[in-house]
Amino acid sequence: EVQLVESGGGLVQPGGSLRLSCAASGFTFSDHYMDWVRQAPGKGLEWVGRTRNKANSYTTEYAASVKGRFTISRDDSKNSLYLQMNSLKTEDTAVYYCGRVGSSHYGMDVWGQGTTVTVSS
Amino acid sequence: DIQMTQSPSTLSASVGDRVTITCRASQSISYWLAWYQQKPGKAPNLLIYKASTLESGVPSRFSGSGSGTEFTLTISSLQPDDFATYYCQQYNSYPITFGQGTRLEIK
Repeated sequence: EVQLVESGGGLVQPGGSLRLSCAASGFTFSDHYMDWVRQAPGKGLEWVGRTRNKANSYTTEYAASVKGRFTISRDDSKNSLYLQMNSLKTEDTAVYYCGRVGSSHYGMDVWGQGTTVTVSS
Repeated sequence: DIQMTQSPSTLSASVGDRVTITCRASQSISYWLAWYQQKPGKAPNLLIYKASTLESGVPSRFSGSGSGTEFTLTISSLQPDDFATYYCQQYNSYPITFGQGTRLEIK
């Protein structure tokens, strides 16, 4: 079964750091670009960023709202995706989803269940 | 950044109705558009990619059309399971952006 499972969410104070993980199974993780998308409480979807695959040098893209604070990385040997979040702000409070990017079409065709990050003092 | 604007924001309809949701891009995105369905407390689910290609396993009552700046998602005959929020997403250029969502509710 193709599956993504996020972990690492929790409560953190403003200015703090948190690292989210996304464990992939059931597909060849190394072949795919991977995205992070977040959803603040009661709000719509916001794309956070992307890591490309090895064939594309693992390059990354970020939304302006997180650039310089968040870092996306991956470990293909562990079928895992990561989101390192530093200098967290209250507006980063959201459910964070990891998603697989389709190889031929670039839509997000597999999503994790999400992990909740709350930034509050 | 490319802005995606969905209309309407809320749509009330009945089972069996044909409904259409529109998504407009602030500049041309060719056909690099996806549609997602999201139910409360759940992750989004891909319905359509490349503007008009139905994702595997998605019922054929869903269809997408458009190119350039104007796109539509049509549900030909609403089923009870279709009442949810729908999002468009452009992936023509970075940053990738979503529409604000259309909430489809039961009339």
